[in-house]
Amino acid sequence: KAGVTQTPRYLIKTRGQQVTLSCSPISGHRSVSWYQQTPGQGLQFLFEYFSETQRNKGNFPGRFSGRQFSNSRSEMNVSTLELGDSALYLCASSKLAGGLSSYEQYFGPGTRLTVT
Amino acid sequence: AQSVTQLDSHVSVSEGTPVLLRCNYSSSYSPSLFWYVQHPNKGLQLLLKYTSAATLVKGINGFEAEFKKSETSFHLTKPSAHMSDAAEYFCVVSDRGTGNQFYFGTGTSLTVIP
Repeated sequence: KAGVTQTPRYLIKTRGQQVTLSCSPISGHRSVSWYQQTPGQGLQFLFEYFSETQRNKGNFPGRFSGRQFSNSRSEMNVSTLELGDSALYLCASSKLAGGLSSYEQYFGPGTRLTVT
Repeated sequence: AQSVTQLDSHVSVSEGTPVLLRCNYSSSYSPSLFWYVQHPNKGLQLLLKYTSAATLVKGINGFEAEFKKSETSFHLTKPSAHMSDAAEYFCVVSDRGTGNQFYFGTGTSLTVIP
């Protein structure tokens, strides 16, 4: 079974631009979560999508947005890029369909975004 | 509120000696706990998980962790370190109160000395 894939793997943008990152979950997984990883802040939760609906959102400004399609693929968008947005963006998928316990998340290799 | 504290930011061990990476958690409900490993320039790989079954959890590559509710701890151990174990390790808590949201610790960097 193929793992979580993320495209592109590397990206260089300039301040003020916008960027869209893509994530394809493991087949059958309906939950997709996004995380930002930086040396200073560590791993921070951005948002989670399930069945095309955003279920949870972290403490990030509105410049960060996302969506999920009917095939569970997800995209995240960052508008008006700032230098501080340089980070590794990780996508994770899970089988979670509600219920009593949390399911493990499977992570993709990440997209390394550099803002200059 | 859910949170995780990884008590050591860096651990060094000699090859062949035991590994102990410490994690304390805070959770309002019955938690699910995970350990992930991240090798340089790679994504995160699941090592093991606890979801209210057996308190001693065995994972991949010889790692295991014990859930101790009275101590709110979930320490990761391995009897004998291998060079390939050198990586960043993250302890994660999640619970039904927050759906599938993961709360990560700040990570422990493991160095294995030959």
